[in-house]
Amino acid sequence: QSVLTQPPSVSGAPGQRVTISCTGSSSNIGAGYDVHWYQHLPGTAPKLLIYENRNRPSGVPDRFSGSKSGTSASLAITGLQPEDEADYYCQSYDSSLSGSWVFGGGTQLTVL
Amino acid sequence: EVQLLESGGDLVQPGGSLRLSCAASGFTFSNYAMSWVRQAPGKGLEWVSLITGSGASTYYAASVKDRFTISRDNSKNTLYLQMNSLRAEDTALYYCTKRSAGHFDFWGQGNLVTVSS
Repeated sequence: QSVLTQPPSVSGAPGQRVTISCTGSSSNIGAGYDVHWYQHLPGTAPKLLIYENRNRPSGVPDRFSGSKSGTSASLAITGLQPEDEADYYCQSYDSSLSGSWVFGGGTQLTVL
Repeated sequence: EVQLLESGGDLVQPGGSLRLSCAASGFTFSNYAMSWVRQAPGKGLEWVSLITGSGASTYYAASVKDRFTISRDNSKNTLYLQMNSLRAEDTALYYCTKRSAGHFDFWGQGNLVTVSS
């Protein structure tokens, strides 16, 4: 059971827009900690996609965008492309107990 | 170019020990906190441990606390994870990551640890 909750899977046709939600609580996202997103293709190193809620590292297309509100965050992908098919993870910090960095359970994106 | 190269993964029996290493290059190693993140077969990413740039402070997930020890040698640009009392549930691909602010901006390719008799 992950501290951050994501849908197990989402899908969309090429060119469409999809969103992936990340729901936390008052000890992580709701406490004001930033949310970050990673793209992971099996067999490769995870790649930072969005940092500090809405910022894209150099080289990440502007088709990817992030937002945060209250105890939740979202990743939006517009103009879906076949190469976007991957697993996506949100990540934040949780201040409960001794504190730790936490990930969502991951969302598998299928491009139909 | 930032590069993180893990090594040391192996097949080990339950109760055994193993030490992972991560050789870093392309950045000033001592200026950054480093972390280990793992992925068990068929599961998601799980943060394991973090060490500050100087090595003065360390942090652990509850699942590995008192069994794993993170350390670093800034003169060798190398990060370590000493894993003791290994359990079947520690079987995973272990990633070395560089921390920037609250996120992990670069990741290694991962190193497989299998705990089985």
